[in-house]
Amino acid sequence: GAVVSQHPSWVICKSGTSVKIECRSLDFQATTMFWYRQFPKKSLMLMATSNEGSKATYEQGVEKDKFLINHASLTLSTLTVTSAHPEDSSFYICSARQGFQPQHFGDGTRLSIL
Amino acid sequence: SQQGEEDPQALSIQEGENATMNCSYKTSINNLQWYRQNSGRGLVHLILIRSNEREKHSGRLRVTLDTSKKSSSLLITASRAADTASYFCATAPLNTGANSKLTFGKGITLSVRP
Repeated sequence: GAVVSQHPSWVICKSGTSVKIECRSLDFQATTMFWYRQFPKKSLMLMATSNEGSKATYEQGVEKDKFLINHASLTLSTLTVTSAHPEDSSFYICSARQGFQPQHFGDGTRLSIL
Repeated sequence: SQQGEEDPQALSIQEGENATMNCSYKTSINNLQWYRQNSGRGLVHLILIRSNEREKHSGRLRVTLDTSKKSSSLLITASRAADTASYFCATAPLNTGANSKLTFGKGITLSVRP
């Protein structure tokens, strides 16, 4: 149980395009979802926290207009990287949690901007 | 320094040996969690220990928590090559609400030689 599916797992796109990443909880209702960014050989950096039906709470230094988060249902959250540039290339990971249970993570999305 | 710092940063052992990884943190916590990450993948939750617990076991894993020293250790007994991965500790703050955030350490790279 507690499976989180993240899609796509890998995306390459041209600079200036927007990229949407989906995070789905497959067998539980995720009251809270988290989006992280991870640089090579580094820890996870929390970008934002989202609750179903409300606006995401962004961490300091994370541009909310750059990284659009939508948590439209209890099983789906999306992260859209708008007008992506090479410096946005990274590994993005989502996690989902039901109530006060531990977070369950997706397998991550490797984003490469050319 | 960052909340949740692990040591050593890298550990290489022979299959069958035990692996001990340590984590230190700075602020009061509600619980501490250990996660595992295989290369290029998401995180897998291993074990959670609450602030009022001192030791917890799960299969070949043993976790200890010393709140007076603000430290935790993860012991993997009888290691296997498949245990090769990065291991992260993460702390949940004392005043845990529905949106409570985990703070991750930098991670330990464990290599188990066959």
